[in-house]
Amino acid sequence: SQQGEEDPQALSIQEGENATMNCSYKTSINNLQWYRQNSGRGLVHLILIRSNEREKHSGRLRVTLDTSKKSSSLLITASRAADTASYFCATAGRGANSKLTFGKGITLSVRP
Amino acid sequence: ETGVTQSPTHLIKTRGQQVTLRCSSQSGHNTVSWYQQALGQGPQFIFQYYREEENGRGNFPPRFSGLQFPNYSSELNVNALELDDSALYLCASSLDSGRADTQYFGPGTRLTVL
Repeated sequence: SQQGEEDPQALSIQEGENATMNCSYKTSINNLQWYRQNSGRGLVHLILIRSNEREKHSGRLRVTLDTSKKSSSLLITASRAADTASYFCATAGRGANSKLTFGKGITLSVRP
Repeated sequence: ETGVTQSPTHLIKTRGQQVTLRCSSQSGHNTVSWYQQALGQGPQFIFQYYREEENGRGNFPPRFSGLQFPNYSSELNVNALELDDSALYLCASSLDSGRADTQYFGPGTRLTVL
């Protein structure tokens, strides 16, 4: 079963605009991570936010986490055509192993 | 590049056959996880190996099995292949299972079952 639910399922924006993607989850977590996937290849780690953090930045990325609402958002500022990809949120639980539970992903298209 | 490699890149098998997929972890990582990603879906956790022992398993039947070697490379074996096993298989290595830190993914093996 997939814990994370991303929203929207697909997003199309113009280059230079900001892209906001949302993720909701169901159970308590150790951390939440966002990954990018280009054309069905391997996943690239973007950013990790721990359950005791509320906001984190990395370059053009800003992620927020609201554990009371069990939700997270990923903001990509000043988008580029190269940001076109699928984006997944993944939660790491509090169990003995660090397995990730992924959502179905968001398809982002950035038009030049 | 994550330093995680997988082989082969693509594979075509027929129903009932057996397949072995291989993964080489990033240097220094003692934990490897395997995921199955069907078309249009997010990756699903198959199992994890930590220091050569299975350390957690997802909702997959016993015909999915694995191994981790002393150099922390890993294999995923699938017996009695079914059409629904067609998917991208991803391995991911991480530094320490208990820390739930970043996982570094390989490029995947695309398996097609005819």
